[in-house]
Amino acid sequence: KAGVTQTPRYLIKTRGQQVTLSCSPISGHRSVSWYQQTPGQGLQFLFEYFSETQRNKGNFPGRFSGRQFSNSRSEMNVSTLELGDSALYLCASSFQSTRGEAFFGQGTRLTVV
Amino acid sequence: TQLLEQSPQFLSIQEGENLTVYCNSSSVFSSLQWYRQEPGEGPVLLVTVVTGGEVKKLKRLTFQFGDARKDSSLHITAAQTGDTGLYLCAGAETDSGGSNYKLTFGKGTLLTVNP
Repeated sequence: KAGVTQTPRYLIKTRGQQVTLSCSPISGHRSVSWYQQTPGQGLQFLFEYFSETQRNKGNFPGRFSGRQFSNSRSEMNVSTLELGDSALYLCASSFQSTRGEAFFGQGTRLTVV
Repeated sequence: TQLLEQSPQFLSIQEGENLTVYCNSSSVFSSLQWYRQEPGEGPVLLVTVVTGGEVKKLKRLTFQFGDARKDSSLHITAAQTGDTGLYLCAGAETDSGGSNYKLTFGKGTLLTVNP
């Protein structure tokens, strides 16, 4: 069974640009969550999608958005990038009835310069 | 929002030593999970504990869930260099329907096992 796949692995963007990250969950998993990880703040929850609907949302500005497609693949978009958006962005998929256990991808390392 | 505090934040030990790391909260979780993350990779699920007082063993790793389901500990016996990594605990909350889980992560314990 293939794991969670995130693309791209690395990105360098300039302040003010926008970026789209992609996540393909484990086959059969309908829940996809996104997290931002930085050394100072740790893992912070961005949002969760289930069956194409945003089900939970963290405390991030509206510049951070996402969506989920009918095949459960998900994308995350960050507009008007700021230096502070530099982080490891992690996607995790979950199967509905497994107590919320998360299976993570390798992440996308975003650097904003 | 429920918070999880992990301690210590950093731990550096020699191979063969034993260690314990802690995960504490003032709130009750429906379950608690432990993950290990290596540099440049995503966290990998190690174990889930659900019942208060539950103890689970994974080779040299022993996980315990507090009786009140507010805290947990991870004990590693005879640490090896391969145990090096960031250990994260995560508490799961559910909605009233019991099917919508939300995870809250601690900031982690960065463990370095030296040869």
